[in-house]
Amino acid sequence: GAGVSQSPSNKVTEKGKDVELRCDPISGHTALYWYRQRLGQGLEFLIYFQGNSAPDKSGLPSDRFSAERTGESVSTLTIQRTQQEDSAVYLCASRTRETQYFGPGTRLLVL
Amino acid sequence: AQSVTQPDIHITVSEGASLELRCNYSYGATPYLFWYVQSPGQGLQLLLKYFSGDTLVQGIKGFEAEFKRSQSSFNLRKPSVHWSDAAEYFCAALGDATNKLIFGTGTLLAVQP
Repeated sequence: GAGVSQSPSNKVTEKGKDVELRCDPISGHTALYWYRQRLGQGLEFLIYFQGNSAPDKSGLPSDRFSAERTGESVSTLTIQRTQQEDSAVYLCASRTRETQYFGPGTRLLVL
Repeated sequence: AQSVTQPDIHITVSEGASLELRCNYSYGATPYLFWYVQSPGQGLQLLLKYFSGDTLVQGIKGFEAEFKRSQSSFNLRKPSVHWSDAAEYFCAALGDATNKLIFGTGTLLAVQP
């Protein structure tokens, strides 16, 4: 079946602009995660959605970052007033039981 | 604090040689453990996982990992490396009181011909 998909694959934006990243999880996966991966570093947890529960936003680095999820489907991660330090790969994962399956990521470059 | 450590940032092996990538975890109880591989420009692909039971787990692409409670380790091994194995490898752990994966910083594997 289809895996986790993310769009766009790459995004170049100017400092100060807003960007929106999309994640389509695997059908039937109730849990969805967003991670950030800076160059040469590991994955940094951002936010976690589980069903209709309130999301765990404990990893969001600032109030410029927000995410939404419609039911158990698509999620969008929004970064407002982007800064150069936001440049990274943003990975989405959906989970069945204990295992997370990752999308290919969105490479964001803030100039 | 819960943590996952991958002590080797970068490893180079010759094609056909054996490989062992180290991973240590620090958790109050035995977490669920995972190895993921990330090829250049790609997302993370699950290689294998350990939840309980047999401490030697087999994964895809000929990889295996051994859980050693006494050493808090979950090292990844492959008996004969192929050039296509060049990638970055991440160890991760999931604690029983959280739904968050904690990742190590990754080990970048280079394969020499």
